Amino acid sequence: DTAVSQTPKYLVTQMGNDKSIKCEQNLGHDTMYWYKQDSKKFLKIMFSYNNKELIINETVPNRFSPKSPDKAHLNLHINSLELGDSAVYFCASSQPHGGGKVNEKLFFGSGTQLSVL
Amino acid sequence: KQEVTQIPAALSVPEGENLVLNCSFTDSAIYNLQWFRQDPGKGLTSLLLIQSSQREQTSGRLNASLDKSSGRSTLYIAASQPGDSATYLCAVDNDSWGKFQFGAGTQVVVTP
Repeated sequence: DTAVSQTPKYLVTQMGNDKSIKCEQNLGHDTMYWYKQDSKKFLKIMFSYNNKELIINETVPNRFSPKSPDKAHLNLHINSLELGDSAVYFCASSQPHGGGKVNEKLFFGSGTQLSVL
Repeated sequence: KQEVTQIPAALSVPEGENLVLNCSFTDSAIYNLQWFRQDPGKGLTSLLLIQSSQREQTSGRLNASLDKSSGRSTLYIAASQPGDSATYLCAVDNDSWGKFQFGAGTQVVVTP
């Protein structure tokens, strides 16, 4: 039973389109994240939600909009896709110290490889 | 701003040798540090989590040390095996909400 699952695994689309990536975790964690891994394999945090509340919002174009309907789900919607958005997007979850809980490991999904043509 | 550096960028060793991977960070006010493994085309797997109050963590053949004052962590993998071939990433959490800053990783190849 996959702890953090995200769909789709691959996403190939044209410039200008709108697309969504979905993520679900069954670990009971309060906090979920979106990370972006660029072509040089460098990982950078984009957003984080704790109990459906946005707590981390890095310098990301506002074409990217995360949505958390409940603490087990965090989706990422991207409007007007650009060539530079091509990357692997990872969802993750944990129980961070800031949530008043014991700090736990960060669990990652298997990634969504987005290719914008 | 926290910066995380991993040296070397790539490492190739024969099977059976011990691996030593280094991670350094510029801001010592961290909540914890994690070491991850990433296989090609896959997500990241957390190997070891070291809390800021701890000096080391061990799991099987893996041992990670943390020296907060000098901004360094080292991951030791004993008696390496071909299955240890992967990219190993170090990440530090500065803000208590799991806002991890990642290093660029060390790509490890263990040859039979």
